[in-house]
Amino acid sequence: DIQLTQSPSFLSASVGDRVTITCRASQGMSSYLAWYQQKPGKAPKLLIYVTSTLQSGVPSRFSGSGSGTEFTLTISSLQPEDSATYYCQQLSTYPITFGQGTRLEI
Amino acid sequence: QVQLVQSGAEVKKPGASVKVSCKASGYTFTSFYFHWVRQAPGQGLEWMGIINPEGGSTTYAQKFQGRLTMTWDTSTSTVTMELSSLRSEDTAVYYCARAGMNWFDPWGQGTLVTVSS
Repeated sequence: DIQLTQSPSFLSASVGDRVTITCRASQGMSSYLAWYQQKPGKAPKLLIYVTSTLQSGVPSRFSGSGSGTEFTLTISSLQPEDSATYYCQQLSTYPITFGQGTRLEI
Repeated sequence: QVQLVQSGAEVKKPGASVKVSCKASGYTFTSFYFHWVRQAPGQGLEWMGIINPEGGSTTYAQKFQGRLTMTWDTSTSTVTMELSSLRSEDTAVYYCARAGMNWFDPWGQGTLVTVSS
């Protein structure tokens, strides 16, 4: 199984800051990595797929990059509504796995 | 718009089974697979399996082999997840999600399953 490790697990930042969340895979994988945002009591929401493709309707301040074993989610200018937990997900092989999550506090 | 609506919360005793349904609307039901994912209280996301609603082929995570059954009903555009031999560790919110080529979107609203004696 591909294990995904996110860092940091918790992040506190201010409005307007640029933040980066890293997702490291236990082995090299394809570009089939996605990022989701989850707010308390809500279902996850797709932000980015295939490493860097922005889902329709997602603000352009979100971006993704990476390859091999290291992938990143960047939020260029934090907004109050970005306070949430973020998960990376690999769809390269079964079983599909998720990172443990990064809680972002604004 | 594309929408997945799940059935309501359940409380079950250890050893029982639970069924959670997920009704799709806003697109052609058989055009996309469905995933099931669960989230224990305060924990992360755990993938359970996938079903193809055109033909019913399934792939389950090894952890759930023998306890998990996914079914589909084209007439009602509904997929159902049944988990048997429930234990307290199965207490979680269960989500269905539409499967794209390399994404899950959208997700259902979630169904809380509580296993307690």
